[in-house]
Amino acid sequence: EPEVTQTPSHQVTQMGQEVILRCVPISNHLYFYWYRQILGQKVEFLVSFYNNEISEKSEIFDDQFSVERPDGSNFTLKIRSTKLEDSAMYFCASTVSPVGGSPLHFGNGTRLTVT
Amino acid sequence: GDSVTQMEGPVTLSEEAFLTINCTYTATGYPSLFWYVQYPGEGLQLLLKATKADDKGSNKGFEATYRKETTSFHLEKGSVQVSDSAVYFCALTNPSNFGNEKLTFGTGTRLTIIP
Repeated sequence: EPEVTQTPSHQVTQMGQEVILRCVPISNHLYFYWYRQILGQKVEFLVSFYNNEISEKSEIFDDQFSVERPDGSNFTLKIRSTKLEDSAMYFCASTVSPVGGSPLHFGNGTRLTVT
Repeated sequence: GDSVTQMEGPVTLSEEAFLTINCTYTATGYPSLFWYVQYPGEGLQLLLKATKADDKGSNKGFEATYRKETTSFHLEKGSVQVSDSAVYFCALTNPSNFGNEKLTFGTGTRLTIIP
């Protein structure tokens, strides 16, 4: 079965550094998402992306965050200047069509640790 | 805004016990409801879903019924196995979000089954 793949599985970075989290969505999917989960807390929506543009973003997704689909297969999340509170598990997801009840397919996540 | 409230964990049961994990929601309109499961070291996987009132979602022996009158979507299994040990997330999408199927998650319930 096709999978959403995320790399790396674990990223450690120093505060203030830039990080890029990478995702390869399922090939025929058109809608892409990033979520994050701070340890012990809810899974939170960050951003959705369709047709090469952001379709919705949460309050968390401030100017430090950006997303890109650079080559038609990868979908990246960039954090420009990481803060300690950015430490979390980041999940990428994709779906073929956001129509009533279509499930999102998630990757295994990237654990980001900011020191 | 939309929200999902889930039974606090962790939950520890013996093998073959009956499982219930409570989930209630707040949403305008007619949301679709989901249970996702996260096995150790893996991403979020769709377990089951229901898209309208009184629908019952089922998979791998798990069931949940969409109850609009009580705004609930409780997860049940008649006889749990050690392999069911995982974190379970209740979630919803809301068509009133203009086609953007953003998932709103509960906090997750960690389930441990002991032999």
